[in-house]
Amino acid sequence: DTGVSQDPRHKITKRGQNVTFRCDPISEHNRLYWYRQTLGQGPEFLTYFQNEAQLEKSRLLSDRFSAERPKGSFSTLEIQRTEQGDSAMYLCASSLDANPREAFFGQGTRLTVV
Amino acid sequence: GIQVEQSPPDLILQEGANSTLRCNFSDSVNNLQWFHQNPWGQLINLFYIPSGTKQNGRLSATTVATERYSLLYISSSQTTDSGVYFCAVGAAGNKLTFGGGTRVLVKP
Repeated sequence: DTGVSQDPRHKITKRGQNVTFRCDPISEHNRLYWYRQTLGQGPEFLTYFQNEAQLEKSRLLSDRFSAERPKGSFSTLEIQRTEQGDSAMYLCASSLDANPREAFFGQGTRLTVV
Repeated sequence: GIQVEQSPPDLILQEGANSTLRCNFSDSVNNLQWFHQNPWGQLINLFYIPSGTKQNGRLSATTVATERYSLLYISSSQTTDSGVYFCAVGAAGNKLTFGGGTRVLVKP
């Protein structure tokens, strides 16, 4: 499978715990994006990387959120001290750095904070 | 930032019917994509169409960039077409901004 891969698919955690999600992009794609989607809404941009550099962060990305892409390949998104409002689907996408910059999405990680 | 509006918000179709979904956006873009979100949450790419017209089977899309809108046509709808359709636009080659989606239900 050469698509975008995310792990885990589902995560249930207690409020206050830390969680980490992983995204493996399409191998030749050097851009990687994170989005969050809450029920009934469209996905919202969180952050993106070009290779290992994090080039843009949304104001949705509070201090409790951190994302890394240490070797320009896979990426991790960590949420510290989770809150119930963090419950959402977290989507990862990747694209080329040149036209066509068509983005392809993974299956997402559904987080439930109880 | 760019605003994206999709209409209608909900659409109920009888199997075999045709329909048109619309996406309006507020600024110039160099990326426009249509997605179908399946019941498990995955976004399936339908079209990458910053301008022009494309067709893929029973689906086709047209983007008129100068007038800031795009249309997705579904012909001879099938129950498997049910789900949420999203339009997403991007400028300067970076993040995508999504519309609110059109929820489609195709009844047998």
